Amino acid sequence: EDQVTQSPEALRLQEGESSSLNCSYTVSGLRGLFWYRQDPGKGPEFLFTLYSAGEEKEKERLKATLTKKESFLHITAPKPEDSATYLCAVRVDNDMRFGAGTRLTVKP
Amino acid sequence: DGGITQSPKYLFRKEGQNVTLSCEQNLNHDAMYWYRQDPGQGLRLIYYSQIVNDFQKGDIAEGYSVSREKKESFPLTVTSAQKNPTAFYLCASMTSGTGSYGYTFGSGTRLTVV
Repeated sequence: EDQVTQSPEALRLQEGESSSLNCSYTVSGLRGLFWYRQDPGKGPEFLFTLYSAGEEKEKERLKATLTKKESFLHITAPKPEDSATYLCAVRVDNDMRFGAGTRLTVKP
Repeated sequence: DGGITQSPKYLFRKEGQNVTLSCEQNLNHDAMYWYRQDPGQGLRLIYYSQIVNDFQKGDIAEGYSVSREKKESFPLTVTSAQKNPTAFYLCASMTSGTGSYGYTFGSGTRLTVV
């Protein structure tokens, strides 16, 4: 069965304290791994797509990496405005499977 | 600007009532999706459509219905058969093809039973 598991469920950081979010997956026929950011009461906003093991993508303080079994979203020197829920999803066939998300809080 | 519009943003349903959530896109995407989001859970697929006049059930289709009469529109009806409809509903679209494409999401509709 296709599964996507994100950890931790919640993460509290001080401003400037770097950390990583994990997304592990067991799917057949992976057609892309996606990271989204979701603010409270809003729809998810696309961040990155990764397709091949070893691939990396960066955007401002965020960097996403991919292995054959998991992906990491590294956040470097986070700011309070990075507080959000980060969702991981894998595309399989005609739709996507989502993890439950990691709720990130960055305190000033 | 292209995007997906969901309306209304907030919706209240009385017991035994059917309600319809609107989703419109001007991205010229072929595929459209409805997800339900509950606290602490991943997004769960309700219905999806890859082409006009055709749609498929997702993992939790019971108590919901959809139509796809136009490429741009994919409304979701929450029927009285759905016993626990309070949730955040997200509509998404994606271009078709074999590439690694992701979703574009709407801003969501929060449905509450009163």
